Amino acid sequence: QVTLKESGPVLVKPTETLTLTCTVSGFSLTNSRMGVSWIRQPPGKALEWLAHIFSSGEESYSTSLKSRLTISKDTSKSQVVLTMTNVDPVDTATYYCARIPSEYDYVWGNYRPSWYFDVWGRGTLVTVSS
Amino acid sequence: IVLTQSPATLSLSPGERATLSCRASLSISSSLAWYQQKPGRPPRLLIYDASKRANGVPARFSGSGSGTDFTLTISSLEPEDFAVYFCQQRPSYAFGQGTKLEFK
Repeated sequence: QVTLKESGPVLVKPTETLTLTCTVSGFSLTNSRMGVSWIRQPPGKALEWLAHIFSSGEESYSTSLKSRLTISKDTSKSQVVLTMTNVDPVDTATYYCARIPSEYDYVWGNYRPSWYFDVWGRGTLVTVSS
Repeated sequence: IVLTQSPATLSLSPGERATLSCRASLSISSSLAWYQQKPGRPPRLLIYDASKRANGVPARFSGSGSGTDFTLTISSLEPEDFAVYFCQQRPSYAFGQGTKLEFK
């Protein structure tokens, strides 16, 4: 069974650095040709993709937040970590991690990470306030 | 690439057919996914590659379209289908702003 679970602080002060951890089980962060993304959702608003990291180690970031985000993985702990610097009250949101499954590449004849999110964690609400 | 969903709110009754739209500002081929989200829950993948149903998704859900215009159709609404639906695209992983499907 594939599961993802987010953990991190409930309350963060403006200008601080937010560190969130996603602990996964049921799939590998090393050679699975899969990935893990972070996605957030402010209360009552739409979803916003933040970043992903593939099992290969390849990273990608939202253009608008790239300067503030770092994503990494600790395969020994089956964890993916997202750090966000200089947080602001507008960063108040539920933060989700989600799995990116693999897909078959018919051109190259192998599997690669896809682009959609098939299993999600339950999310963790982070409030930014002084 | 921006995804625009319409309508923002759709009011229907159980048993009716629901048609939700997602339009991309540039062609994205068939790289579109649909998610369902209920209050207090994470999104659930329904459709990927524009028309492929995810594991366990009932057959009343279907997706169609390619290029810039996509549609999610629910053939006959069940009470548990009333939720918010988001579309998402490949090139930038961005989501649409959502369509709320509510009881009429």
